[in-house]
Amino acid sequence: QVQLVESGGGVVQPGRSLRLSCAASGFTFSNYGMHWVRQAPGKGLEWVAAIWYDGNMEYYGDSVKGRFTISRNNSRNTLYLQMNSLRAEDTAVYYCAKSKGKYALDAFDIWGQGTMVTVSS
Amino acid sequence: DIQMTQSPSSLSASLGDRVTITCRASQSVTNYLHWFQQKPGKAPKLLIYAASSLQSGVPSRFSGSGSGTDFTLSISSLQPEDFATYYCHQSYTTPHTFGQGTKLEIK
Repeated sequence: QVQLVESGGGVVQPGRSLRLSCAASGFTFSNYGMHWVRQAPGKGLEWVAAIWYDGNMEYYGDSVKGRFTISRNNSRNTLYLQMNSLRAEDTAVYYCAKSKGKYALDAFDIWGQGTMVTVSS
Repeated sequence: DIQMTQSPSSLSASLGDRVTITCRASQSVTNYLHWFQQKPGKAPKLLIYAASSLQSGVPSRFSGSGSGTDFTLSISSLQPEDFATYYCHQSYTTPHTFGQGTKLEIK
């Protein structure tokens, strides 16, 4: 069964850090690009970051550039999102999503269930 | 950044109706345009990719068309499980961007 399972969310104070993980199963993780997408409460979808199948290229949305880092461990079938200098506006459900292809230009065909991140003092 | 504008923002329809949602890009995305369905508290689900290709397992009442800047998602005969929010998404360039969503409600 093709599956993505996020973990690592929680409540964190502004300025602090958090690392999200996304465990993949049921497909050859190392063959596909991966993404993080977030959704603030009651709002629409916002693309956060992407990484190539081999980890050689990363892309970021303007609102997180310089603060967030996407990475992957293909031997562990796991995607990560390191979030530093968190702000209240980063509060959202964070989804990991699988690309249909190796790079960052394809549709997202598999999504995790999401993990909630709340930034609050 | 490429702006994606969906219309309408909300739509009321009855079971069995045919509905169409449009998505306009601020510049050409060729066919790198995809449609998702999202139900409350759930992750988005891919319906249509590359403007007009039906994702595996998605009912054939869903269809997509368009290229360049103007796209449509159509549902031929609304079923109870189709009432949800729909998003378009461009992957032509980073940053990827989404439309603001169209909420489809039962009339």
